[in-house]
This record gives sequence, structure tokens and C-alpha cells, in this order.
Amino acid sequence: AQKVTQAQTEISVVEKEDVTLDCVYETRDTTYYLFWYKQPPSGELVFLIRRNSFDEQNEISGRYSWNFQKSTSSFNFTITASQVVDSAVYFCALSPQTSYDKVIFGPGTSLSVIP
Amino acid sequence: DTGVSQDPRHKITKRGQNVTFRCDPISEHNRLYWYRQTLGQGPEFLTYFQNEAQLEKSRLLSDRFSAERPKGSFSTLEIQRTEQGDSAMYLCASSPRGVAGLYEQYFGPGTRLTVT
Repeated sequence: AQKVTQAQTEISVVEKEDVTLDCVYETRDTTYYLFWYKQPPSGELVFLIRRNSFDEQNEISGRYSWNFQKSTSSFNFTITASQVVDSAVYFCALSPQTSYDKVIFGPGTSLSVIP
Repeated sequence: DTGVSQDPRHKITKRGQNVTFRCDPISEHNRLYWYRQTLGQGPEFLTYFQNEAQLEKSRLLSDRFSAERPKGSFSTLEIQRTEQGDSAMYLCASSPRGVAGLYEQYFGPGTRLTVT
């Protein structure tokens, strides 16, 4: 089965704290892509990162970093020194080789950053 | 603004009526996707087009739903005989030509449907 699990439904942090959003995926495909999207209160999903299954290097982009571990089928997202503008729903998504275009989204994690 | 646009942004309809939504993708994108998102859930894939060809449909897309992309540009999603369970946000996304999966999808603002 192809599936994405985001066990944290809601997280609240105080501004400037670090926060990690968990993502666990299931697929039998050896080739796949993983994504993170942000959905702010305005509603439009915004692409954050794409990672293919052969690239396990961690990535850092400003305050954002991603930790991809194939051994545990996880693709976790960390925000360092969180800001109020980070408040949004964050979705992890899987694009398996058997159907790249049929992207499977997780249920999302709602992050609230309190000033 | 050269992003994905959707029209209308909100639609309220009575049960049993037909509704049609429009999506205009980013102009050079050949792939177009429709998703449905209910409250507290992630987007669920409905269907996608490569140019004018509809290549895959989800089991979620019952026979009351139909999508078209007649000239490979804009797309329409029609729901016939709406039911209260159809109330959701309908999202459109597009992605550029290339190896499938290589490019991210760019999402529109969505059409929020309320069936009363």
C-alpha cells in the first residue's frame, strides 16, 4: 500500500523555538519522490521541497531543514527559530514510481507559533 | 499573476444541482491535476491530464463527476446532482513537461463548494 502518515495533528510552539514535523511513508516502489507543502491560512498550497529516493542527503534552506532516512521510511521537517509566519498546515506527500502523477498526501500537521 | 487560477473561489449550491469549476494552469505546464480536500485532511487525488488526455482517474471520482481539458489548456470539473458529501475544497494544480514526478505541482487557490 502507498501511504503517508503524519502522526502529529497539531503542534503549538512559542516563537523562536525549534520544531520538528514528522512524516512516515509506505511504498513498495524503489523509486519515488517525497515532498513537503505548506498551506497557510490563505489556503493555497506552497511547495517547499522535493527529494528523490536515491538522495538521502539532508538539506538545509535557511531556517528549514529536512532529514530523509530510508531505513525508517521517514522524511522529517525541522523549522529552526520558528516565527509567527510559520503558522500553517504542513503536508508531507509521496509520489511513487508506479504512478508518479498520483501524489499521495498525508493528513497534515497544523503548526501554531505563538508570539 | 502567472500562477494557477481557479474560478469561482466559492460556490454554494443546493443538493441536486449541477456545478462546474474552471482551472487555468500555468501556461507552459502540460500536466493538470484535480484534488479534493475536506476539512482537516490532505488533498486527495481525483484525476489528471497530460495535455488534453485524461490519463488517470481516482475511484473517488464517481460517475457524477466529469473533467475535461479540451484544448490542453484550461480544465473544467463538473459535478452533477450534487450531494452534501461533495462539500469540500476542490484544488487544481499544474506541473511542467518532463519526466513524471520530477517536478513539483503548483497549486491554485481552490474552489470551496458548499452543498446545502
